[in-house]
Amino acid sequence: GAVVSQHPSRVICKSGTSVKIECRSLDFQATTMFWYRQFPKKSLMLMATSNEGSKATYEQGVEKDKFLINHASLTLSTLTVTSAHPEDSSFYICSAGTGRGPSTDTQYFGPGTRLTVL
Amino acid sequence: KQEVTQIPAALSVPEGENLVLNCSFTDSAIYNLQWFRQDPGKGLTSLLLIQSSQREQTSGRLNASLDKSSGRSTLYIAASQPGDSATYLCAVRPEGSNYQLIWGAGTKLIIKP
Repeated sequence: GAVVSQHPSRVICKSGTSVKIECRSLDFQATTMFWYRQFPKKSLMLMATSNEGSKATYEQGVEKDKFLINHASLTLSTLTVTSAHPEDSSFYICSAGTGRGPSTDTQYFGPGTRLTVL
Repeated sequence: KQEVTQIPAALSVPEGENLVLNCSFTDSAIYNLQWFRQDPGKGLTSLLLIQSSQREQTSGRLNASLDKSSGRSTLYIAASQPGDSATYLCAVRPEGSNYQLIWGAGTKLIIKP
């Protein structure tokens, strides 16, 4: 149980285009989803937290107009990288949580999406 | 501001050895600490979660300890195998945070056959 999928697993796009990444919780309802970005040999960087039915909360320094997050349902969140630039190339990971309280919830992680912008 | 540090950044040991990975954090006000495994180009697998009230957790050949007052955690791997080769990440959930995890940069472990 508690499986999170991401699609696509790998995407290559041209500069200026937009790319959508999907994150799905397959066998549970995720009230909260998280989007992370990971640079080589670096820590995961939390980009934003989204709760179903409400606007995402972005971390400081993350452009909300560039990284559009939609948490459309309890099983699906999408991250759209708009007008992609080569510096947006990275590994993007989503995770899903099942509750609203911080002390007991566990985050389940997706397999990640490798984005390469040419 | 909570900061998480993992030392060493990389470690290579022969198969069969017992080893310890270290994680330190600057603020002891945490809900829990987790250890994760990440294989190259892959997502994260949660290995062990230690609540702030606990001292250790065990799963198979893995044992994680937590000393909250000193801001330290260790992940002990017994009888290492080549399949243990991966990057190991620790993350803490600060008290008062809304789910947020603060991550270390990881230790890349290579087990030589």
